[in-house]
Amino acid sequence: EDKVVQSPLSLVVHEGDTVTLNCSYEVTNFRSLLWYKQEKKAPTFLFMLTSSGIEKKSGRLSSILDKKELFSILNITATQTGDSAVYLCAVPNAGGTSYGKLTFGQGTILTVHP
Amino acid sequence: DGGITQSPKYLFRKEGQNVTLSCEQNLNHDAMYWYRQDPGQGLRLIYYSQIVNDFQKGDIAEGYSVSREKKESFPLTVTSAQKNPTAFYLCASSTGDQPQHFGDGTRLSIL
Repeated sequence: EDKVVQSPLSLVVHEGDTVTLNCSYEVTNFRSLLWYKQEKKAPTFLFMLTSSGIEKKSGRLSSILDKKELFSILNITATQTGDSAVYLCAVPNAGGTSYGKLTFGQGTILTVHP
Repeated sequence: DGGITQSPKYLFRKEGQNVTLSCEQNLNHDAMYWYRQDPGQGLRLIYYSQIVNDFQKGDIAEGYSVSREKKESFPLTVTSAQKNPTAFYLCASSTGDQPQHFGDGTRLSIL
């Protein structure tokens, strides 16, 4: 059975801090790992990672994958109150298409105080 | 604008009642999905459909049913057999090698 574990489950920081969110996985026939941001309603796509060691970057957010150690990290630098959200990590299930059935982690609740 | 529309935003169910959650997409996506989200448990897959008139059970299908008569629509029925239906329900769609897009969700509560 595929498994995705995120840590920490919750995190409280102040504006300007840098945070690192972790996602470890056990999945048959790994294809990719996805990060989503959820602010109360619809999760929105952040990154898709397929290769080890190649950093994906978007503004203050960046993510990297380690396929040997089976984990990914999501970094947010100079956090702002608008970064407060649940961050979800997901991997496609074995037998699914590249972006088909997804197994999600529990999510990390990030709260950024002014 | 293209997107996924879920309705209603809030829904209340009485004991023994079946309720249906609507999900419509105008993205021309082939695949559609239903997830349930409980606090501290992330998203869990209920049902998914890769093409019209075909669907498969996900990890927690018991007490739920779906249909896929049209490409744009994938309604979810929460039956009276689902004993703990209170949750946030999210619908998603995807096509090819693109990431899933999500609707804004329906929050279901028990009266």
